[in-house]
Amino acid sequence: DTGVSQDPRHKITKRGQNVTFRCDPISEHNRLYWYRQTLGQGPEFLTYFQNEAQLEKSRLLSDRFSAERPKGSFSTLEIQRTEQGDSAMYLCASRFVGSGGTNEQFFGPGTRLTVL
Amino acid sequence: AQTVTQSQPEMSVQEAETVTLSCTYDTSESNYYLFWYKQPPSRQMILVIRQEAYKQQNATENRFSVNFQKAAKSFSLKISDSQLGDTAMYFCAFIDTSGTYKYIFGTGTRLKVLA
Repeated sequence: DTGVSQDPRHKITKRGQNVTFRCDPISEHNRLYWYRQTLGQGPEFLTYFQNEAQLEKSRLLSDRFSAERPKGSFSTLEIQRTEQGDSAMYLCASRFVGSGGTNEQFFGPGTRLTVL
Repeated sequence: AQTVTQSQPEMSVQEAETVTLSCTYDTSESNYYLFWYKQPPSRQMILVIRQEAYKQQNATENRFSVNFQKAAKSFSLKISDSQLGDTAMYFCAFIDTSGTYKYIFGTGTRLKVLA
């Protein structure tokens, strides 16, 4: 078990460009969450997946944001036409839901996005 | 709406001393879980301690313990024998068991342990 991984760790882009982040959860975890953390704030929920189904999206997730988890394993978060306000740390977390599962979410190291 | 409040943006403590971080929350749910997470500089968040709301006994994990006051909706973290490696951001988090189990975080407390 190598934990939750995210790629890239850092991304610098120009306003208006599209970016895509990837999250690889712990292998047996069927639930995956995305959070956004801005400077001086705690993480805020964006969306989550149960296996491949996206079950809830926050109002923070504008139309420019899209997330997928096509095979119920890794997930991608894409931001189109980036804006300076999108600059933040994007965190992925996963957990197992089912018999023997706990409510603890395991976090990845995050992708720090800077929009110039 | 469910909220989590951490009223101490920054704290410092001398090595080997004890420090308490405060957290209050607001919810109308009766079944929920509370967590303290640690986020060291440039490193990922890790779980420090967890408390189930239905348990009256306060959780303890080695040098870390909580004071859970359900009626007051208070959930403070006590760190005993502070170590330099405890320097980090500490986030209080809440989940309820009736919804998505998503975390609601406070704004965090930056703790610095001084040598």
